[in-house]
Order: sequence, then C-alpha cells, then structure tokens
Amino acid sequence: GQNIDQPTEMTATEGAIVQINCTYQTSGFNGLFWYQQHAGEAPTFLSYNVLDGLEEKGRFSSFLSRSKGYSYLLLKELQMKDSASYLCAVRDSYGQNFVFGPGTRLSVLP
Amino acid sequence: EAQVTQNPRYLITVTGKKLTVTCSQNMNHEYMSWYRQDPGLGLRQIYYSMNVEVTDKGDVPEGYKVSRKEKRNFPLILESPSPNQTSLYFCASRLEYRGYETDTQYFGPGTRLTVL
Repeated sequence: GQNIDQPTEMTATEGAIVQINCTYQTSGFNGLFWYQQHAGEAPTFLSYNVLDGLEEKGRFSSFLSRSKGYSYLLLKELQMKDSASYLCAVRDSYGQNFVFGPGTRLSVLP
Repeated sequence: EAQVTQNPRYLITVTGKKLTVTCSQNMNHEYMSWYRQDPGLGLRQIYYSMNVEVTDKGDVPEGYKVSRKEKRNFPLILESPSPNQTSLYFCASRLEYRGYETDTQYFGPGTRLTVL
C-alpha cells in the first residue's frame, strides 16, 4: 500500500526556521519531491532527494532517510510569501507515478 | 513560454451532463497525468499516459475517461458527472516516464469543477 503522512498545519514567525516532516510507506521508491502550493494555484517544484542526506537550495533544504521512510523540508529566514501548503510526494520504482501526501499548510506570522 | 494549459478554469454543471476538460503542453513531454485535489486528501492521480495511445489508471479512475491521440493533448472526460466529482483538477506533464534524476512534473493552473 501507499501511505504518506504530514502534519496538517504549522505556524511560524517571519525570520524563523521551520521544519516540515514527511513519513512514507510505499510499495516502491524512486525519489522524494517537495512542492509548494499557494492557495488556488498549481503546485511548483521545490526540491528532490533520491539518496540519503541533505540537499540545500538557498533558503530551502530537504533531507531524506530511506531506511526510516522519512524526509523533512527546512525553510530558513521565513518570509510572509512562504505562507503556502507544502506537498511531499514519492515517485514509484518505475518512475511512472507520484503519490502525494495530504500537504502541510504553513502560516507565517509577522 | 513552456507551460501546461487547462480549460476551462472554472466550471459549474449538473449531474449527468457530459463534460471535457482539456489539457495541453508545449514542452514535447511524453508523460502526462490528471490529478484531483480534495481537502485533507491531497493530490490523487486519476489517469496517466506514458505516450501517445498509451494510458493507464491511477488511484481514483472511476467515473473518468481519458484519451491521448496527440502528444501535446490529454483531455479528461466525465461521461456522467456526479456531485462527488466536485473537486479541483490538475493536469501535469513531465519529460519522460522513466524518470531520470530530477525529472519533476509541471502542473497546469487547475480547473475547479462543481457538479450540482
């Protein structure tokens, strides 16, 4: 079966650091993706991990532990525009399909 | 500009009235898919296509049909819509289905469908 879990909502303060966790149990694995989605808009790609460890892209970093079925997205120096939903998605072994988690809605407060 | 387009963006219809949501991409992508997004459930895949004339079911295909006669277009057809198909629909495409490295998906702007 396929199951991906994320916290439903998180709140943080402008300028702070926030970590959004994602745990997964999937029948296959060929990469984990993070997407950002502003309300009423399409998801946009943020980061990708296929090997264990940390990938850094500016203010955003993503970590993966395949043995634990665990990933997190780290957002630094939070800005008001970072208020959005963050979607964790796992690509299956054949690279054909993506399974998405329910998303985490992040609110950044002044 | 590289993009995925969907039409219509908003649609209100009644139960049983057939409708088609169009999706088109200009990036020469092989792989296209349709998702629906509902509160608390995230994005769920309806159908996908690995290339022209090659389609397969995703996680929630019931009540939907698709076709892929041309590489750029992947319409979603609801033969007899019902209220439980009220949702936000996204079309997505990516370069090729075997999924090299960071081969991510590009999403269309979404179609908000209401079935009364």
